[in-house]
Amino acid sequence: AQTVTQSQPEMSVQEAETVTLSCTYDTSESNYYLFWYKQPPSRQMILVIRQEAYKQQNATENRFSVNFQKAAKSFSLKISDSQLGDTAMYFCAFMKRNSNYQLIWGAGTKLIIKP
Amino acid sequence: DSGVTQTPKHLITATGQRVTLRCSPRSGDLSVYWYQQSLDQGLQFLIQYYNGEERAKGNILERFSAQQFPDLHSELNLSSLELGDSALYFCASSVSGKTNTEAFFGQGTRLTVV
Repeated sequence: AQTVTQSQPEMSVQEAETVTLSCTYDTSESNYYLFWYKQPPSRQMILVIRQEAYKQQNATENRFSVNFQKAAKSFSLKISDSQLGDTAMYFCAFMKRNSNYQLIWGAGTKLIIKP
Repeated sequence: DSGVTQTPKHLITATGQRVTLRCSPRSGDLSVYWYQQSLDQGLQFLIQYYNGEERAKGNILERFSAQQFPDLHSELNLSSLELGDSALYFCASSVSGKTNTEAFFGQGTRLTVV
């Protein structure tokens, strides 16, 4: 069975700083997807970034980038130039290829951006 | 706004009761997914429907059932409710059931069982 571990329950940084959220996962699958979702106080689950395991290149979306280490089964999220609006819960999630969005979720990291 | 609409936003009910949660997917999306977010269990996948048919089932209790109607909206029925069923229930939708498409989430229904 697949598991996803987020070892940082809570983090806080000053606005404009860079912060890295950790995620490790365990799987015997070779084809899969990894995601970072953001859940602000509004409760909306918002996709931040997505990585396909067969792609060597790390995904990037504006200020958000990942460090995907397949052999180490690590998938960390880096947020550059953090903004107050980045304050939210961040969830790492795993999905086997062709598994119909049967996402396996981590416990989440609460990120607080301080002014 | 993701385009996925869930109603009601909040629901408070007593143990033993039955409730129905509704999800309207984004226009054109054929696939609907239900997830539960609870303090005890975290986030978990419950069930998926595609164009009216059940496609995948996760950790869904036998007391829970779902369906997708011809107009593609979906309902999640929760019966014989227990205190532990208190959770945020999310619906998500995608164009197809294929994993190379993005799933968009609604804002969830917060269910409180008292």
